[in-house]
Amino acid sequence: EAGVTQFPSHSVIEKGQTVTLRCDPISGHDNLYWYRRVMGKEIKFLLHFVKESKQDESGMPNNRFLAERTGGTYSTLKVQPAELEDSGVYFCASSQVRQGLHFGEGSWLTVV
Amino acid sequence: AQKVTQAQTEISVVEKEDVTLDCVYETRDTTYYLFWYKQPPSGELVFLIRRNSFDEQNEISGRYSWNFQKSTSSFNFTITASQVVDSAVYFCALSEEGYSSASKIIFGSGTRLSIRP
Repeated sequence: EAGVTQFPSHSVIEKGQTVTLRCDPISGHDNLYWYRRVMGKEIKFLLHFVKESKQDESGMPNNRFLAERTGGTYSTLKVQPAELEDSGVYFCASSQVRQGLHFGEGSWLTVV
Repeated sequence: AQKVTQAQTEISVVEKEDVTLDCVYETRDTTYYLFWYKQPPSGELVFLIRRNSFDEQNEISGRYSWNFQKSTSSFNFTITASQVVDSAVYFCALSEEGYSSASKIIFGSGTRLSIRP
């Protein structure tokens, strides 16, 4: 069984540019989560999809962040325009109903 | 409100020593799950353990052991006979299981563990 895959693994962009992170969950997992860890702080929840619907987006920091999950399969997280404080690692996770979360390897974003 | 506190930001020990990583949590729910994850230098989050709030039995897995005490809201993690490969950032986490299909996980700030040869 393939795990959660994230792309790109590393990205370096300039302030003001746009970056789109992609997450492919484990096949059959309806729940998909985005988390991020910035500046060595704790890993923080961003949002939760159930299939294609946003179940909880209370962790999204501001309107520069847009997450989509069209068709309920893979998800994208777009940051536009990127700011320096957005640097960090963005984790995606997926799960079955009431099961543990499986995390991807993360997308490391550096904004310069 | 949910909260996970890992008071130890960094720990450094010599190989073969035992080390305990502390975790204290806050929740108003009676049903919840506690987790430990490991983040090695390669970056991925590696699941170590998941315990539910009704199971206070301590667990041992090889050199790893976990001590769950509801009376003190703690879920500590001990590595015995530490090895250099144990060097990583360790996260304690909590999720409250409500009536929704799944619940988000709240992470602590992590403890960076360095094992010196």
